Amino acid sequence: AQTVTQSQPEMSVQEAETVTLSCTYDTSESDYYLFWYKQPPSRQMILVIRQEAYKQQNATENRFSVNFQKAAKSFSLKISDSQLGDAAMYFCAYRAGTYKYIFGTGTRLKVLA
Amino acid sequence: GAVVSQHPSRVICKSGTSVKIECRSLDFQATTMFWYRQFPKKSLMLMATSNEGSKATYEQGVEKDKFLINHASLTLSTLTVTSAHPEDSSFYICSARDHGGGNTIYFGEGSWLTVV
Repeated sequence: AQTVTQSQPEMSVQEAETVTLSCTYDTSESDYYLFWYKQPPSRQMILVIRQEAYKQQNATENRFSVNFQKAAKSFSLKISDSQLGDAAMYFCAYRAGTYKYIFGTGTRLKVLA
Repeated sequence: GAVVSQHPSRVICKSGTSVKIECRSLDFQATTMFWYRQFPKKSLMLMATSNEGSKATYEQGVEKDKFLINHASLTLSTLTVTSAHPEDSSFYICSARDHGGGNTIYFGEGSWLTVV
């Protein structure tokens, strides 16, 4: 069975600094997608970034980038130039052909002014 | 862009009653929708896959007679919590698959259920 593990329950970063959130996963599938979602207090799930497993190039979306290590089954999120609005719960997620998501336990990110 | 709407956003019901939560895809057809449950300060757990025109597929450990799912149209799936108990209090989120839009998955805003 597929699993997603986030080992950091909480992280803090100073405003304007860089922070990396960790995620590892386990799967026997070769074709899958990985995601980072942000969940602010409103609870709305906001897609931050996605990575297709067949792509070797790491995905980037403005200040957000990933380090995708397929062999190691690692998928970390780097947030550069952190802003107060980045404070939220971040979930790493896995999705394969059934379109069902498997979420990690989440990392609460605090941004310090 | 595509939007998935849930209603109600918050609901309080008495123990023993049933409550229905709706999930609508507003500008695309979704033959497949998914229902998740999120306990406070916990992750999202998939409850079931809702298939238009057929029975839902439930994840292991989810009581199908307690959490009734109906996907009667291409834009609407409903989750009915029957004979609700306080332990059913939770945040319920749906997602919908946009088949015509590259199979993108969109999440609803979620619904808070409190059973008193």
